Amino acid sequence: AQKVTQAQTEISVVEKEDVTLDCVYETRDTTYYLFWYKQPPSGELVFLIRRNSFDEQNEISGRYSWNFQKSTSSFNFTITASQVVDSAVYFCALSFYNQGGKLIFGQGTELSVKP
Amino acid sequence: EAGVAQSPRYKIIEKRQSVAFWCNPISGHATLYWYQQILGQGPKLLIQFQNNGVVDDSQLPKDRFSAERLKGVDSTLKIQPAKLEDSAVYLCASSLGPTTGRGTEAFFGQGTRLTVV
Repeated sequence: AQKVTQAQTEISVVEKEDVTLDCVYETRDTTYYLFWYKQPPSGELVFLIRRNSFDEQNEISGRYSWNFQKSTSSFNFTITASQVVDSAVYFCALSFYNQGGKLIFGQGTELSVKP
Repeated sequence: EAGVAQSPRYKIIEKRQSVAFWCNPISGHATLYWYQQILGQGPKLLIQFQNNGVVDDSQLPKDRFSAERLKGVDSTLKIQPAKLEDSAVYLCASSLGPTTGRGTEAFFGQGTRLTVV
């Protein structure tokens, strides 16, 4: 089965706290691609990052960082020093070259950052 | 650069009526996707086009849903007749190619929120 699980439905933090969003995926393929998207209240999904299965190097972009661990099939997303503008629903997704690149999404995690 | 445009933003119809959604992808994007997002869930692919050919429509309820992409640019998604369970946000996305290539991430429109009563 090819599946993405985001076990955290909702997370609420106070501004400036660090927060980690969990993503666990299932696949038997050795070549795959992982993504994170942000969905603000306006509705469109905003691309944050793509990682291929052969690149386990962690990535940092400003306050955002991603931890990819093939051994645990996880691709977690951490926001450091959260801000109110980070409030949104975050989706983890999976795609495969031999399936035309369609995205298989998790259920999403709603992050609420309170001032 | 203009993003993915969708219209209408909102639509309310009665069950058994028909409805159509329109999508204009980013210029030059060969791949176009329609996703259905039911409240509280992640988007689910309905259909994927590569230029004007269908790549994947395995999850499209073909007895009531249809989609076309004429001339490999704009696309329309139609539901006829609508059911209550079709209430959802319909998202259109486009990319240069399949999302597995570098620089081919999918860009999404704001979606059309459909309510069937």
